[in-house]
Amino acid sequence: NAGVTQTPKFRILKIGQSMTLQCTQDMNHNYMYWYRQDPGMGLKLIYYSVGAGITDKGEVPNGYNVSRSTTEDFPLRLELAAPSQTSVYFCASSYSKQDRAIRETQYFGPGTRLLVL
Amino acid sequence: AQKVTQAQTEISVVEKEDVTLDCVYETRDTTYYLFWYKQPPSGELVFLIRRNSFDEQNEISGRYSWNFQKSTSSFNFTITASQVVDSAVYFCALSEARAAGNKLTFGGGTRVLVKP
Repeated sequence: NAGVTQTPKFRILKIGQSMTLQCTQDMNHNYMYWYRQDPGMGLKLIYYSVGAGITDKGEVPNGYNVSRSTTEDFPLRLELAAPSQTSVYFCASSYSKQDRAIRETQYFGPGTRLLVL
Repeated sequence: AQKVTQAQTEISVVEKEDVTLDCVYETRDTTYYLFWYKQPPSGELVFLIRRNSFDEQNEISGRYSWNFQKSTSSFNFTITASQVVDSAVYFCALSEARAAGNKLTFGGGTRVLVKP
C-alpha cells in the first residue's frame, strides 16, 4: 500500500491564482482530512469528510473548498490565493467504525508546501 | 473546547542522554484519545502512539515510553538513550469522542535536537 499520497510536493502561486491540491489514499479509509501547518506551529484542521459525498468544515475553512466523490480521493481547492495561505498542507485518513466514541489513528501524507507570493 | 499545550519549544541533548517531552491537555469530555506524532526533518508525520482515556497504563516501545496521568491531564513522552535519528519535532494531539469528524487538536510541537 502506498498509504496517503499528495501532489504536488511544492508549488508557488501568485496572489489571486487558484489551484487544487490532490490527495489519494489506498487504505479504504472512510474518513479523510485536510490540515495546514504554519511555520513553527501545530496542525489545524481545514476540512474533513466522513465518506464519499459528505464533507464538513474544520477550524480554518475560509478560502478553501473540498469535494469527495470517491472513497479514495479528497482534493482541496484554493480559490484566489492569498499570502496568508502560505503553509504546508497535509492530507490524512483514518478508518472509523460505527462506534463514534472510538477515535482511530489518522495517517498522514507527505505534505504539499505552498508559497503564495 | 479541547486544547493541547507543549510548553517546551525546543530541547537540545547530547546523544545517549534521556529526554522527556511534556504534554498537557484540556478537555471536558470523559472519553478521549491522545496521540504522539514525530515529524523528522524530511517533513512527514509519523504516528507513534494512541492511548484512550480509560487506559492509564504506561507504555514502553523500545527506547520510547509514555506516562499518562489523568490526575494531572498529562501524557508525557520519554526517549531513553537518545540517538541522532531522534532529532525531529514531536507533536502531542487530542481527539474528544464527542468532537465532530474525529477532529485532532495538536499542540505546538517540541523540537528535539540530538547532538552526536
